[in-house]
Amino acid sequence: KQEVTQIPAALSVPEGENLVLNCSFTDSAIYNLQWFRQDPGKGLTSLLLIQSSQREQTSGRLNASLDKSSGRSTLYIAASQPGDSATYLCAVRPENFGNEKLTFGTGTRLTIIP
Amino acid sequence: AAGVIQSPRHLIKEKRETATLKCYPIPRHDTVYWYQQGPGQDPQFLISFYEKMQSDKGSIPDRFSAQQFSDYHSELNMSSLELGDSALYFCASSLRGAGGNTIYFGEGSWLTVV
Repeated sequence: KQEVTQIPAALSVPEGENLVLNCSFTDSAIYNLQWFRQDPGKGLTSLLLIQSSQREQTSGRLNASLDKSSGRSTLYIAASQPGDSATYLCAVRPENFGNEKLTFGTGTRLTIIP
Repeated sequence: AAGVIQSPRHLIKEKRETATLKCYPIPRHDTVYWYQQGPGQDPQFLISFYEKMQSDKGSIPDRFSAQQFSDYHSELNMSSLELGDSALYFCASSLRGAGGNTIYFGEGSWLTVV
């Protein structure tokens, strides 16, 4: 059974700093990994998707990396801003066809201090 | 760009009542997913549909049922509601095979059972 862990559970950093969020998964047989952002009481906003064959993806100030063999992904946020405050979730999708289920981590609650 | 539309956004029901949630996927997306997120928990996969056929099933109670209609919208029917069904219910959609199957989530429907 796939298990996804995110450490730390909560993180506070001053505005302007660069930061890294971590995601680890126990079963490396994944099809892709997706990073989401969730504001309190709101939906999940897709940030980046990394295919199992890729090593990283970038979008603006965000960079996500994937090391499938070691079961790890990181989300790097450059020059953090107060608007980045949210909970960040990673989710993995299994590689076997027909299995649609995303397994989510429990998230990292990020607070950017102005 | 059009997103996943869910209705209603908020719903209050009494125990043993029935509730129906609706989901309109992003146009041309062929796969719809339903997730349940309890307070302080990560989203849990319930069920998915590909081209109007059930494609995968997760931890969906027998009291719940879902279907996808000819216009690709989906409905989640929940009967004999229990207090523990109170949660945020997400619908998501994707286009199979496109760019690694990025999954896009709606804003969610808040169900409170009293």
